[in-house]
Amino acid sequence: QKEVEQNSGPLSVPEGAIASLNCTYSDRGSQSFFWYRQYSGKSPELIMFIYSNGDKEDGRFTAQLNKASQYVSLLIRDSQPSDSATYLCAVKGDTGKLIFGQGTTLQVKP
Amino acid sequence: DAGVIQSPRHEVTEMGQEVTLRCKPISGHNSLFWYRQTMMRGLELLIYFNNNVPIDDSGMPEDRFSAKMPNASFSTLKIQPSEPRDSAVYFCASSFNTGALQPQHFGDGTRLSIL
Repeated sequence: QKEVEQNSGPLSVPEGAIASLNCTYSDRGSQSFFWYRQYSGKSPELIMFIYSNGDKEDGRFTAQLNKASQYVSLLIRDSQPSDSATYLCAVKGDTGKLIFGQGTTLQVKP
Repeated sequence: DAGVIQSPRHEVTEMGQEVTLRCKPISGHNSLFWYRQTMMRGLELLIYFNNNVPIDDSGMPEDRFSAKMPNASFSTLKIQPSEPRDSAVYFCASSFNTGALQPQHFGDGTRLSIL
């Protein structure tokens, strides 16, 4: 079992819709959870992170964390074509290392 | 503020040659990470440093890979001898420390092709 799992996609949504990206992790001791966006040929860019159960909102982005279910998600409201990218979920435990999932490719169609 | 700076951006070389990748972390950041990204394996941590000291090199593929951090503002990742399977994008990232709430910030990466 992979430590951090994501559906590779592609996830296709129409412009203006809500995109929902999901991630599960295996280490119950994980402390913090990060979402990075990576455009093709570019480096990962931090979107937001969460460490407490519940929701955290930042503009059009909402991260959701459920530690009991070992599940973290990212919602993108009012999706735009410029949101088309690969979204990487990363999990940090007590070692301080980030463990990345394989990423989900999002396509937002105009 | 300057982000993480990597050089070169692209490197094409023949197998057997020595390759040196360079990284300058964000000023004030005490933790530095080297990653490799391929389509097959995704983003993998190779090694990381805290206060210039290597903490975990368990991701380094084999003895052909080595990394150093002689001071707080410079790190190198060396491959000697290089092989075609080393072709990948190599990213350097830095963070203030390795605490749970400290995010890592990535450089633009070095795209390495070994012929």
